[in-house]
Parts: sequence; structure tokens; C-alpha cells
Amino acid sequence: QSALTQPASVSGSPGQSITISCTGTTSDVGGYNYVSWYQQHPGKVPKLMIYDVSNRPSGVSNRFSASKSGNTASLTISGLQAEDEADYYCSSFTSSSSIVFGTGTKVTVL
Amino acid sequence: QLQLQESGPGLVKPSETLSLTCTVSGGSISSSTYHWGWIRQPPGKGLEWIGSLYYTGRTYYSPSLKSRATISGDTSKNQFSLKLSSVTAADTAVYYCARDRSGCPADYWGQGTLVTVSS
Repeated sequence: QSALTQPASVSGSPGQSITISCTGTTSDVGGYNYVSWYQQHPGKVPKLMIYDVSNRPSGVSNRFSASKSGNTASLTISGLQAEDEADYYCSSFTSSSSIVFGTGTKVTVL
Repeated sequence: QLQLQESGPGLVKPSETLSLTCTVSGGSISSSTYHWGWIRQPPGKGLEWIGSLYYTGRTYYSPSLKSRATISGDTSKNQFSLKLSSVTAADTAVYYCARDRSGCPADYWGQGTLVTVSS
């Protein structure tokens, strides 16, 4: 199965909002409400930011929100801060009972 | 607090079998609520899901690795393991073990261990 498609990079100024897309198919993103989002700073372990499309784990800032429409999921970071500069990955459950990750997006805070 | 720790050789020769173990503390791999999985990340590249072990003992694998990967659990030691056979340089990566919560491949992660495939 192919990786979910994410933009290679997204940038924004401090305080702005940015949105990262994650596009799959009806066999993954579009077929299940099991989309997760991860943040990874350089050299660090990925951190779960969103699960089940739009749920935030305890401790994750409410500046992070997410949704899904059809085969595309989206992660929005509002009030962009320098600490948000990182790589972001989406993942989805698939029809073969496996998981597929996205290609990853580098977020740059200008 | 749940903790996961990977262990195993950092260097594996081509064509041999990569073997890693994840020791879980602060939680039980016998829990019916969660599954236990492996994810890898080649240097400078993205995340790749390898597979998961359900509490029933059933396993699920990435279609691209299914023929070479085996995940198993040892409830007496609260550990689960990954074996990846016939490795090549393309299998060089940081390998993470993780707790999988149905559709979410990792809500808790180990620190990761770099495995290099080289002669």
C-alpha cells in the first residue's frame, strides 16, 4: 500500500494558523475514523498529537486540532509558536488491518 | 507511568535476521485494551509501520514486510519481540516499539534503537 500524501513543507509566521493535509483513499483515510497525527522534533521520539481523527491526548495543546473530509485528513496548528517547528506525520488504519503513515511534513516557523 | 525499552544488536550483517525485544513496564502486554507494535524510521526518512501484536496473540503486518517480519510476545517477562529476516542495507533504521490503541499505532513510544545492516 502507498504512503498517505502530505505536503513536503508548510511554513507560517508566529501567531498564524497553518493546516497540513493528509490524503489517502477510501481504503484508509476515507474508510475509517482512525487517523492519527504525530509531531517529531529532530533527533527525538515522535509524539502523538491527535488520535481517532480529532481527539487530543491529555497534555496536548488545544492549539492543535484536526478533522477529516472524505479521503483527506487535516491538522491545523493555530497561534503558531517557535516550538511547533518539527516534522508532522499522519497515519491511518487500512482495510487490510494494517497501518499506513503519511510522507511527512516539515513545518517551519518563519 | 508506562515505559517501553528496546534492546538488541545495533549491527546486523546482510542476509541475517534482525532481532529486537521491547520490555514494557508500568503496564501489561496481556491487557485487552491495547496492542503492541513496531515502527521504524530509516535515517533522514519517514515513519514506517511494521506490525502489531494483539493480546489474543494474533499479529498484523505491513504488506511490504509481511514475508520477513515476525512479532511475538512473552507475557511472563512482559516483553514482545520483532524478528526481521533476510535483512539488507535498506533495513537500516531506528526501530521503535510502541503501544498501539486500535487504529492509533502508537500512543506510547520506546526511545528507539538504531540498527545498522552492514558487513
